Amino acid sequence: GAVVSQHPSRVICKSGTSVKIECRSLDFQATTMFWYRQFPKQSLMLMATSNEGSKATYEQGVEKDKFLINHASLTLSTLTVTSAHPEDSSFYICSANQGIREKLFFGSGTQLSVL
Amino acid sequence: KQEVTQIPAALSVPEGENLVLNCSFTDSAIYNLQWFRQDPGKGLTSLLLIQSSQREQTSGRLNASLDKSSGRSTLYIAASQPGDSATYLCAVAPYNFNKFYFGSGTKLNVKP
Repeated sequence: GAVVSQHPSRVICKSGTSVKIECRSLDFQATTMFWYRQFPKQSLMLMATSNEGSKATYEQGVEKDKFLINHASLTLSTLTVTSAHPEDSSFYICSANQGIREKLFFGSGTQLSVL
Repeated sequence: KQEVTQIPAALSVPEGENLVLNCSFTDSAIYNLQWFRQDPGKGLTSLLLIQSSQREQTSGRLNASLDKSSGRSTLYIAASQPGDSATYLCAVAPYNFNKFYFGSGTKLNVKP
């Protein structure tokens, strides 16, 4: 099956720093990549949808200047948490599919802890 | 807006038991429905995808059914094993745009 690689798996940073998370589709070209946030014992909250070469579409309530998404190629999307604060601590997961509404493949997630 | 509900939130069964997990959605205009498994601190693994025109899909001990008109899907796990312990999530894709709505999941514990 298709593989989505996400790095880093865990990051601890000081408040005020920026953190970049990478999401790569290893063996397929991802038309769309999705970024989710997950709090403990809760379901996934969609943050934004990104398509290669165009601006990301953010969900209501998600600050686009806070969570910068770049979908530079058909195999790579990045999420940058800018000026991170403790309330940004969470589990971030990316997913990708090859076509509209096609099967979703997920990365292994990134646990962000902001001190 | 589509709302997806999963019941029960948690389930504990002895090894070997057959079980059913439920997923319901409010808007029947879906393109497909997907079942996932999530282990603690990990990403999601796709289990089964059912297109809106299909009634069920099977993979090994797993069988997923879809009744679009009533807004329901079930995931049947036969002869459960401790290794099946995980959180199971369903997600629906609407017809009108490329987006997926997730349920809150059912946390399954299979006791040896």
